[in-house]
Amino acid sequence: GQSLEQPSEVTAVEGAIVQINCTYQTSGFYGLSWYQQHDGGAPTFLSYNALDGLEETGRFSSFLSRSDSYGYLLLQELQMKDSASYFCAVRGGVGFQKLVFGTGTRLLVSP
Amino acid sequence: GAGVSQSPSNKVTEKGKDVELRCDPISGHTALYWYRQRLGQGLEFLIYFQGNSAPDKSGLPSDRFSAERTGESVSTLTIQRTQQEDSAVYLCASSLDGNTIYFGEGSWLTVV
Repeated sequence: GQSLEQPSEVTAVEGAIVQINCTYQTSGFYGLSWYQQHDGGAPTFLSYNALDGLEETGRFSSFLSRSDSYGYLLLQELQMKDSASYFCAVRGGVGFQKLVFGTGTRLLVSP
Repeated sequence: GAGVSQSPSNKVTEKGKDVELRCDPISGHTALYWYRQRLGQGLEFLIYFQGNSAPDKSGLPSDRFSAERTGESVSTLTIQRTQQEDSAVYLCASSLDGNTIYFGEGSWLTVV
């Protein structure tokens, strides 16, 4: 099966940089994804890493190390609107078709 | 459509009643997923459909839960004899490549 571990909560102040870590265990690997979910809202796709290294999309970057079964999401120039839950996810199940999510990290950004 | 559409957005039902939740995926997306999310919790996989292949039902919590999909179109999730622990938001998602999935706004179910 698949399992993913994330910190339950991270706090930071506006303008700061925060890193949300994710370690995973899976019998087969087809990339690591990140999703953002605001309270009461639907999860939305942020990034996907299939290969090792850093992917940058604006203020958000995502990193993957397949040898360490580890990835992180880096959020720069934090804004209040970044307060949300962040989930990492890997593909799993028969044929590795379903997306299995981590438990989520709640990010609280304060003024 | 432009996004994944779910209905009803909110449903309050009495314990023991059956409920049916509907999902209309993004046009052309062959993969469709159902997840359950209890308040303050993570995303719990329920079922996955891919084209005409047999669905992955490994996440359905009991035989009270079932889901169908018509071709590559609409899907319905049915919960029979609802229990209070079924109260949650039920999220549908669709995908073209399996790596990026797009969620609907969810159907919020409250069993009283």
